[in-house]
Amino acid sequence: RKEVEQDPGPFNVPEGATVAFNCTYSNSASQSFFWYRQDCRKEPKLLMSVYSSGNEDGRFTAQLNRASQYISLLIRDSKLSDSATYLCVVANTNAGKSTFGDGTTLTVKP
Amino acid sequence: NAGVTQTPKFQVLKTGQSMTLQCAQDMNHNSMYWYRQDPGMGLRLIYYSASEGTTDKGEVPNGYNVSRLNKREFSLRLESAAPSQTSVYFCASSEPTQEPRAAFFGQGTRLTVV
Repeated sequence: RKEVEQDPGPFNVPEGATVAFNCTYSNSASQSFFWYRQDCRKEPKLLMSVYSSGNEDGRFTAQLNRASQYISLLIRDSKLSDSATYLCVVANTNAGKSTFGDGTTLTVKP
Repeated sequence: NAGVTQTPKFQVLKTGQSMTLQCAQDMNHNSMYWYRQDPGMGLRLIYYSASEGTTDKGEVPNGYNVSRLNKREFSLRLESAAPSQTSVYFCASSEPTQEPRAAFFGQGTRLTVV
């Protein structure tokens, strides 16, 4: 079983739609959680950190459920420019190690 | 604002040749990483260095060696390149003691082994 699992998709949605991605992790010692965005043939870039209380950045909302070892990302009012692969990342900061999910591909269509 | 710098950006090697991929970060981060990403697949950790002077194997270390030269630099060496090592290689760094604690990536090295 992979340490971090994501639904690979692809998710194809119309502009303006709301879309949610889920991620589960197996290491209960994990301490920090993130969502990254990766455009085709580019490096992954940090989208947002994920906190137990939930956090929002504009149209993006991230949630963490430590009991269920589950992370989510909600994108509201999707834009064409949101088309990318979204990577869930779980870090054991004490060990200095980050583990990436394989990513979920989103395509937003006109 | 250089962040993480990788060299070279592109490389073609013949089977059996050796090369070293260089990575340097200017963010004073303790942790550094090397990942590979094959077409249509996720990132796989090759080696990481939690702090200067330490290195540890990741998920796919075979065929690679690393050196944490100092706090800034973390190099990846392919001693005898094989076609299976054709991939995009990303270096990253993070600072576990300071927010956001996330990893920041270089632009990648696209390596083809023929």
